[in-house]
Amino acid sequence: GAVVSQHPSWVICKSGTSVKIECRSLDFQATTMFWYRQFPKQSLMLMATSNEGSKATYEQGVEKDKFLINHASLTLSTLTVTSAHPEDSSFYICSARDGLGYTFGSGTRLTVV
Amino acid sequence: DAKTTQPTSMDCAEGRAANLPCNHSTISGNEYVYWYRQIHSQGPQYIIHGLKNNETNEMASLIITEDRKSSTLILPHATLRDTAVYYCIVREFGNEKLTFGTGTRLTIIP
Repeated sequence: GAVVSQHPSWVICKSGTSVKIECRSLDFQATTMFWYRQFPKQSLMLMATSNEGSKATYEQGVEKDKFLINHASLTLSTLTVTSAHPEDSSFYICSARDGLGYTFGSGTRLTVV
Repeated sequence: DAKTTQPTSMDCAEGRAANLPCNHSTISGNEYVYWYRQIHSQGPQYIIHGLKNNETNEMASLIITEDRKSSTLILPHATLRDTAVYYCIVREFGNEKLTFGTGTRLTIIP
């Protein structure tokens, strides 16, 4: 079946630094990928839709200058959390369209100290 | 908006069938019902989806009522590894987004 690889699985960074998270579709091409954020004991919240070769579409309330998304190829989307702060600590998950379904990555746990 | 309502939590004995209900009373004709599950600290895993007919695969069965206002996910022989949060999601055909609700936390009891 379709596989989406997300890297890193966890990262700890200092406040004020930037962190890049990669999401790759391993055996299929994904023109559209999605980025979610999940806080403890909460559901997944869609942050943005990443479109290959064009600008991402952000959900209301998500700062596009803080969460930079790049989808430069049909198999790779990246999310960069810029100037991270402790409140950005969360579980970030990507997904990609695969036919009628969606395949999710294994998630990245970001801790900002 | 999630468009679905699910019980917050459920328990099921190991080896028994787990029946997870989902209410989607405002569903329209071109909206699909998807089920995903999330085991702690992992990405969601696809289970099954359907439009109006009942569906079955190697993981589960999906029973959709005739009026399509509710559905039930059936795990026929639950194991401890089925303990997870189960999400019922309604997606409009042509709309790429999957919007997650709060889901049902299913606990399989030995």
